[in-house]
Amino acid sequence: DAGVTQSPTHLIKTRGQQVTLRCSPKSGHDTVSWYQQALGQGPQFIFQYYEEEERQRGNFPDRFSGHQFPNYSSELNVNALLLGDSALYLCASSPGRAPRPTNTGELFFGEGSRLTVL
Amino acid sequence: GQNIDQPTEMTATEGAIVQINCTYQTSGFNGLFWYQQHAGEAPTFLSYNVLDGLEEKGRFSSFLSRSKGYSYLLLKELQMKDSASYLCAVRGYTGGGNKLTFGTGTQLKVEL
Repeated sequence: DAGVTQSPTHLIKTRGQQVTLRCSPKSGHDTVSWYQQALGQGPQFIFQYYEEEERQRGNFPDRFSGHQFPNYSSELNVNALLLGDSALYLCASSPGRAPRPTNTGELFFGEGSRLTVL
Repeated sequence: GQNIDQPTEMTATEGAIVQINCTYQTSGFNGLFWYQQHAGEAPTFLSYNVLDGLEEKGRFSSFLSRSKGYSYLLLKELQMKDSASYLCAVRGYTGGGNKLTFGTGTQLKVEL
């Protein structure tokens, strides 16, 4: 049973460029969340997708956008890259948008995509 | 909004016990999670508390007091492999959804 997979694992971009990161959720999971983790910090919530729609959004500018496909996989797009966008981008999946009595609704994280903006 | 505080760093000795504290302020509460994250790796789920009290899982235990906005993670019989960052995260309750707000993490170093 494959867990959450993300690609690419590492990438380098320059300021002003655009980047697309991809995520395949754990089998049986239909909800995907994206988090940004700067060095030495905890993950910060970007947004969550369920049924191909953005359901919740954190305090990130419109340069950050996403998409969820019918097979539940997801993409994170960041436009007009800034130096401060350099971080580890984590994708997390869960079985359902809200916690259910039969499970805690914990998030399962991928290994992340490390983005460096020069 | 939500605010989570936990110590930045802790050091402990192999075989000992360590307690990592977490305090939180939240406008809604629907569970508290602890995750472990080794350097360069994904966070992995350790424990979940939604009611007051202690949850025990092997060498790891987690405690919650909702009235005090306080939790701790207790690690017993420390091993070198326990050296990692421990993340406290709170799930709010804003009409559903599964958004977690994380603290900055506590970097635990286990020494011989």
